[in-house]
Amino acid sequence: AQSVTQLGSHVSVSEGALVLLRCNYSSSVPPYLFWYVQYPNQGLQLLLKYTTGATLVKGINGFEAEFKKSETSFHLTKPSAHMSDAAEYFCAVTTATGNQFYFGTGTSLTVIP
Amino acid sequence: KAGVTQTPRYLIKTRGQQVTLSCSPISGHRSVSWYQQTPGQGLQFLFEYFSETQRNKGNFPGRFSGRQFSNSRSEMNVSTLELGDSALYLCASSLASGGLEQYFGPGTRLTVT
Repeated sequence: AQSVTQLGSHVSVSEGALVLLRCNYSSSVPPYLFWYVQYPNQGLQLLLKYTTGATLVKGINGFEAEFKKSETSFHLTKPSAHMSDAAEYFCAVTTATGNQFYFGTGTSLTVIP
Repeated sequence: KAGVTQTPRYLIKTRGQQVTLSCSPISGHRSVSWYQQTPGQGLQFLFEYFSETQRNKGNFPGRFSGRQFSNSRSEMNVSTLELGDSALYLCASSLASGGLEQYFGPGTRLTVT
C-alpha cells in the first residue's frame, strides 16, 4: 500500500519569498507522484507529476518538484511566491499497477503581502 | 472541451435521509472516481467506475454506493445519512481506469443536519 505525509498543515511566506511544501511518501513499488492545488470552492487542479525519467519536474505557475528516492520525498518549490499562490496544496501517490490515488492531508499556503 | 461537472453544488439533508450526487466526466473519458474531502481526514477514495463497472473501492461502509451509465456519467448514493457524512464530494475523470491524468470537478458540498 502507499501513503503520503505532508509536513506542515499551514505554511506562510512573504510575497516574493521561496515556497517550500514538503511531501514524503511510502510505497513498496516505484511510485508515481503528483501535486495538486485547490482554490476555495473549486476542485483540484494538477500542478505537476512524476512518473519516470527526469527527477526534477516542472509544472504550471512556476512550480517544480524533485523526486528523491533515497529520501522518499517529493517536495514542491517555487522561487518567488505570488499572492495568487494562496491555496491548499495536496501531494498524492499511486503506482503503475495501482488503481487509486492516496492523498496527503494538504498544506494551506498563505502569502503575506 | 467542457470540464467535469457535478450537480448539485450544494445540498442540505437531514440525518436518516438519502442523497444522490451526479458527475458528468469530460467527453471521451470513461473512468470516474469519487472522493470524500473533510477537514479532518483530507481526501479519501470512495470508488472508481469504468465502463459501467466498479473497478476499485475504498474503505467506506455499504451506505455509500455508486453506478455509472453507458454515457460514462456517474452517480453516487449515500443512504441513511449521518452527521459525519457532511463533506465535499469530488469526482474525477480520466480516459481509462487507473489513468494518471485525473481531472476534478468542483465538488458537491453536502451538509447533514
